[in-house]
Amino acid sequence: DGGITQSPKYLFRKEGQNVTLSCEQNLNHDAMYWYRQDPGQGLRLIYYSQIVNDFQKGDIAEGYSVSREKKESFPLTVTSAQKNPTAFYLCASSSPGARSWGYTFGSGTRLTVV
Amino acid sequence: QQQVKQSPQSLIVQKGGISIINCAYENTAFDYFPWYQQFPGKGPALLIAIRPDVSEKKEGRFTISFNKSAKQFSLHIMDSQPGDSATYFCAAQTGANNLFFGTGTRLTVIP
Repeated sequence: DGGITQSPKYLFRKEGQNVTLSCEQNLNHDAMYWYRQDPGQGLRLIYYSQIVNDFQKGDIAEGYSVSREKKESFPLTVTSAQKNPTAFYLCASSSPGARSWGYTFGSGTRLTVV
Repeated sequence: QQQVKQSPQSLIVQKGGISIINCAYENTAFDYFPWYQQFPGKGPALLIAIRPDVSEKKEGRFTISFNKSAKQFSLHIMDSQPGDSATYFCAAQTGANNLFFGTGTRLTVIP
């Protein structure tokens, strides 16, 4: 089945550590996105990529980094510079050429600082 | 600045009732208006969507009403069921890769 796989489902980070969240899609979508969701809040865009080897900052990129070396993969690194990283992280993808412009989301990674 | 304004923040409806969630936007360049449904601990899933050339779209118990002149659109859930309890996000999009979300509505359907 086509879809987006995020791993791990739960992640714990110690203060001062960098952690990387995985996002893989087999939908052949060109564009991929990372969102952050805090309890009771909407979705805030962290980074997005419309093509391999290219990505742009979203609304809250500080303290995060990404790479897009393959079409299928868009990992997100939460660096120690992110002061409040505890949140639910969602990866999504879309295809500009599709008749439907809807985004497909993964099941998310819940990151907790311990 | 919030591109899409959504209300209410939370909604409690009796089973069998109608749930109504409203959204408003300002940017007339938006040309695709999807609604997403999110269950706790899961990612949002596309529920239903509309383009501005139609005023209403219905899929089962879910209906989008769209008022282009007022720049408003709403989701109606008829015969609401406890299984509909989730957070609903409206969104507006320009082009295929430029999506703006509302802040979400937490719907609770009481048996």
